[in-house]
Amino acid sequence: QSVLTQPPSASGTPGQRVTISCSGSSSNIGSNYVYWYQQLPGTAPKLLIYRNNQRPSGVPDRFSGSKSGTSASLAISGLRSEDEADYYCAAWDDSLSGPVVFGGGTKLTVL
Amino acid sequence: QLQLQESGPGLVKPSETLSLTCTVSGGSISSSSYYWGWIRQPPGKGLEWIGSIYYSGSTYYNPSLKSRVTISVDTSKNQFSLKLSSVTAADTAVYYCARLYLGFDIWGQGTMVTVSS
Repeated sequence: QSVLTQPPSASGTPGQRVTISCSGSSSNIGSNYVYWYQQLPGTAPKLLIYRNNQRPSGVPDRFSGSKSGTSASLAISGLRSEDEADYYCAAWDDSLSGPVVFGGGTKLTVL
Repeated sequence: QLQLQESGPGLVKPSETLSLTCTVSGGSISSSSYYWGWIRQPPGKGLEWIGSIYYSGSTYYNPSLKSRVTISVDTSKNQFSLKLSSVTAADTAVYYCARLYLGFDIWGQGTMVTVSS
């Protein structure tokens, strides 16, 4: 049971915009930054978004992050086949669960 | 550019201690800007943070694993290490080491560790 809750799956067609949600609590998302990771099949995770909505160098601006209260979202616009991957949210946690907690992951399928 | 590489046994017997090392190349582990961490992923499952360490040796661990985990650093070798004691089949996973800066921004390729007799 992950501290951060994500839908297990999401899907979209090429060119579409999809969003993946991440729900937490006041001790994690509500009071700390959110991070998003992309894990392509058979590879190590890659940092996609840091500090809620910042993109590391090299990450396309098709990827964007947002946070409101104790929830966060990752949006992918102009969906491409190569975006098919697992996506994980993460945050610092100020409670006994922490200090680093991950969501359970969302498998994104490009139809 | 900075690279991380995990190394260690791929097979560990139940009740024994899992030991892995992460070698950092292309940069210094002693940089004051970074922490270093271990994350694992059981087959077909999600990511679990194990713990992190600063070059000075300051550590913090996942509370659910704290009683069994030790993370240490060897600045002379530009390495940090993970020891997980009393392993069971539930500890079978791919183990990743990573740099913690603005998030875990650089990852090793991961190493599969199987716990089996």
